[in-house]
Amino acid sequence: DAKTTQPNSMESNEEEPVHLPCNHSTISGTDYIHWYRQLPSQGPEYVIHGLTSNVNNRMASLAIAEDRKSSTLILHRATLRDAAVYYCILGGADKIIFGKGTRLHILP
Amino acid sequence: DTAVSQTPKYLVTQMGNDKSIKCEQNLGHDTMYWYKQDSKKFLKIMFSYNNKELIINETVPNRFSPKSPDKAHLNLHINSLELGDSAVYFCASSPTGTMNTGELFFGEGSRLTVL
Repeated sequence: DAKTTQPNSMESNEEEPVHLPCNHSTISGTDYIHWYRQLPSQGPEYVIHGLTSNVNNRMASLAIAEDRKSSTLILHRATLRDAAVYYCILGGADKIIFGKGTRLHILP
Repeated sequence: DTAVSQTPKYLVTQMGNDKSIKCEQNLGHDTMYWYKQDSKKFLKIMFSYNNKELIINETVPNRFSPKSPDKAHLNLHINSLELGDSAVYFCASSPTGTMNTGELFFGEGSRLTVL
């Protein structure tokens, strides 16, 4: 099963961009890359997903390496409300694998 | 209106008891899931159902029995509760049977404590 590797934690200053990395060197050709986040005492929340091309939505951007072995979630301007655990997930027909996640701390 | 709702939100019970957690989604999705998040915060899928049929069973003990009376409901019944069952259980739904194109919508979780 393809797995993801993320840093355990990261810090960023408020109102600055944040780049959250994820390695997935054993990704298969059909796996989508999904990002979710989990705020304290809440269920996970969808952030963004992509296959090969970079993706943008109102919450974030997803930059996917050309070889698809890594990706980066970009929060363009972090706020205190973005403090959460961010999960990088590979989605396949029979594989739903959560990474350990990165705990993002936002410094005021 | 809450999209994915779970009840109860908190459940404290003794070892050996049987308990159920209910989940309902009003999004019209075809697929529902149960996830378990343990004390180390690892989030693991337990089951998924597509239109009331079991799709994924991730080596969960048979003390755990999901039941889907219709595609809007997926309840989790647990027999003979053990200390290791203490966790937060999340229900989720998606409009497709895989994560390839659909996003998952999670409930707020049900915290089960077994004493």
